[in-house]
Amino acid sequence: NAGVMQNPRHLVRRRGQEARLRCSPMKGHSHVYWYRQLPEEGLKFMVYLQKENIIDESGMPKERFSAEFPKEGPSILRIQQVVRGDSAAYFCASSRPQGLAGGPGTDTQYFGPGTRLTVL
Amino acid sequence: KNQVEQSPQSLIILEGKNCTLQCNYTVSPFSNLRWYKQDTGRGPVSLTIMTFSENTKSNGRYTATLDADTKQSSLHITASQLSDSASYICVVSDLYGNKLVFGAGTILRVKS
Repeated sequence: NAGVMQNPRHLVRRRGQEARLRCSPMKGHSHVYWYRQLPEEGLKFMVYLQKENIIDESGMPKERFSAEFPKEGPSILRIQQVVRGDSAAYFCASSRPQGLAGGPGTDTQYFGPGTRLTVL
Repeated sequence: KNQVEQSPQSLIILEGKNCTLQCNYTVSPFSNLRWYKQDTGRGPVSLTIMTFSENTKSNGRYTATLDADTKQSSLHITASQLSDSASYICVVSDLYGNKLVFGAGTILRVKS
């Protein structure tokens, strides 16, 4: 059973370009989370998605950032018109569908290897 | 101020020794507390998860404790190995479990 997969592992963009980060959750997982980790800092929650739905995007910057998790295919984190401050490691995590009790945070989230974005 | 504070920031120990990492949190109410291990260049891997009603949880040489009254947790590593060198991250989930709040981590280096 393959783990959470992210690609690319490393991405270099020039200021003003677009960055697309992909995340394929573990088999059987329908919940996807995106986190950002700046150098020397802890991971910060960005967005929580289920298939075709954004459940919580309270951690997403209001502009230039968007996320989707279509019915088919991987989840995509899209950053438009990147700036140097967007340089970070972006991690995706997935978890199983939840039971009747407990929210998604009550289940183990399995993390991917991350995508390291460098903006020149 | 971060809602999850970890100490020490970094730690160096000799192989075979024990160590204890600390975590203080202010997230309230909360659902559960987790410890993750993150190797350099990799994603975090879950070590333990405890609900507010649990006091201790073990996973091999890793033992986590939780005091929900004082809002403190610790991770004790027994008989350290070189492969334990990593960042150890304390993570607290809010009451509804929708968000994880991460500490900045403790960087542990085990020397031979």
